[in-house]
This record gives sequence, structure tokens and C-alpha cells, in this order.
Amino acid sequence: DAKTTQPPSMDCAEGRAANLPCNHSTISGNEYVYWYRQIHSQGPQYIIHGLKNNETNEMASLIITEDRKSSTLILPHATLRDTAVYYCIAPNTGNQFYFGTGTSLTVIP
Amino acid sequence: GAVVSQHPSRVICKSGTSVKIECRSLDFQATTMFWYRQFPKQSLMLMATSNEGSKATYEQGVEKDKFLINHASLTLSTLTVTSAHPEDSSFYICSASARAGNQPQHFGDGTRLSIL
Repeated sequence: DAKTTQPPSMDCAEGRAANLPCNHSTISGNEYVYWYRQIHSQGPQYIIHGLKNNETNEMASLIITEDRKSSTLILPHATLRDTAVYYCIAPNTGNQFYFGTGTSLTVIP
Repeated sequence: GAVVSQHPSRVICKSGTSVKIECRSLDFQATTMFWYRQFPKQSLMLMATSNEGSKATYEQGVEKDKFLINHASLTLSTLTVTSAHPEDSSFYICSASARAGNQPQHFGDGTRLSIL
């Protein structure tokens, strides 16, 4: 599994796009990138995942650089309910998740 | 979306007792289930990987005789904390995926275990 590095915290104004970066420079060719978020005292919630193409779903967009060494999760219109800790994970082929410290996103009214 | 149910959500018990936590995948067959532990203000820590019908694989430093894992069916895994002590108090979270590799894990809502 590739080690991931994320900024410890970020703020975002309500209604604006939140762009959360993740560095995974040691990722191998067949390792996906997954994004989850955790709201206090709950289990992590799946957001999105991708291999090398950009992905979009109803929650977010995932932009993966061409060299796959980094990615950005985009929440297009952040709301107060998006305040959470966001985790970027690049598991091995056994699909085991080793969580880093994540990014604590605070959406400000 | 895929739903994983974890029970109980909270348990308080005396030191020395054993506690069983259940993890169920409600709308898909979970080939693999995972158990995590999370201490306050820390990230999730993987404890073990459980494949249906086989013995669990434990992470380094996790005592397999202390944390018994059973994954007898494709929809149910259980974690039993044996002879629990106050230092075992933590937030225990399970997850499940439909098959190994490239499938998202879906997490339960966790079990808050408090040992008095």
C-alpha cells in the first residue's frame, strides 16, 4: 500500500468548492485511490475512488494527476454537513486500508 | 448503496468480561471483512482482515487470542474481546467489501466499548 500525505486541516466557505489534496508518490500501477470521510463518532463514509481517470459521482469529483502521484478530491459546493475528517487511501491488492491522519475540513458559514 | 450494520452501538461492562460485536452486510455478500480500532483523536487502526471460511489475518501487535474473529458466513463477522480490561476501551469499527481488490469497503457505524 502506498503512503499518503494530506494537510492536517483546511477551511472552506459554505457554498464554495472544497479542494482536498493528497500525495501518494509511491503508488504502484494497480493501486486505486479511495476517499472516505468520517464525521465524529461515526464509521467512515465512502465518497469516491479511481485508478487513473478522473471520476465524478453525486458526492464529489476526483482528479488524479497523470503520473498518479497525487490526487484532489473536489466537493463542488460545500455545505456545513461536509465538515468532517477526509481520508485518502491507496490500499494494496489485499484491499487493506491503512489510514493516515487525514484532513480535518471545516466548512464555515 | 451498500449497507453494513454493526451491533451493539455502545456497550459498557465490567473488567474481565468478554464482549461480542457483530458486523453484518445487509445487501451484499462480503467476501472480506475488516476490523478497526480507533482511540480518541486518532485515526483508524486496522486490527485484522477476515475472509469468509478461513482464519483471520491479524496485524502486527494485535493479539489473536485477545480479539477473536469469526467470519462464518458471507454476511456476518464477529469480534469478541476476551477478558476485557479498561485499556481495551475504544471505538471498534468493522467494514466489508464484496470481493478483494478494487472494491470499496463499506463501514459500519462502530461500537463504543467502555470497560469499567
